[in-house]
Amino acid sequence: DAGITQSPRHKVTETGTPVTLRCHQTENHRYMYWYRQDPGHGLRLIHYSYGVKDTDKGEVSDGYSVSRSKTEDFLLTLESATSSQTSVYFCAIGETGLDEQYFGPGTRLTVT
Amino acid sequence: AQSVTQPDIHITVSEGASLELRCNYSYGATPYLFWYVQSPGQGLQLLLKYFSGDTLVQGIKGFEAEFKRSQSSFNLRKPSVHWSDAAEYFCAVALSSGGSYIPTFGRGTSLIVHP
Repeated sequence: DAGITQSPRHKVTETGTPVTLRCHQTENHRYMYWYRQDPGHGLRLIHYSYGVKDTDKGEVSDGYSVSRSKTEDFLLTLESATSSQTSVYFCAIGETGLDEQYFGPGTRLTVT
Repeated sequence: AQSVTQPDIHITVSEGASLELRCNYSYGATPYLFWYVQSPGQGLQLLLKYFSGDTLVQGIKGFEAEFKRSQSSFNLRKPSVHWSDAAEYFCAVALSSGGSYIPTFGRGTSLIVHP
């Protein structure tokens, strides 16, 4: 299995608070992605990175920011959490943008 | 707009029966196509992928998929389903965007297997 970890695995937070999720890889893959998974919507891309300090927006980027200061870590920040951001968040990595992606175990976030 | 459609939200089959999960895409060029499977509480795992060449591709766990350009489809098949195949299945497409290829996932099809 690809070496991808996500932390925390579960989090409950209050509306209006900032939240940071971490994705860590040991595969040295260039691409890293953040998705959210919601019933009826499948996986939707939030942000992705194609290198250190190189990031771009995905389909549902509003209310989220990301940072990648080193190859192995990709952080997702909810600047001011809202109940609509309650979801399961998956990190994925890939050697190229065309290759298969390897997924982390997910983070279940609940915003109350 | 470019999109990936999985028309079936749920599919129920009996163990041992054949399976076909549908996937259609809307894209001007031939995309890069993938099928992933997600077991409950897990991340996604790649079943198979199509980039070019033979339009019938074989994957893990006995799955195969056929790319049909004329129908813009990439349907997933298995001749005999096992109870352990019960999971969520996602079709995905890698689409070109500003020099990068951005993955887009369908909404998923939930497979229920009856004994």
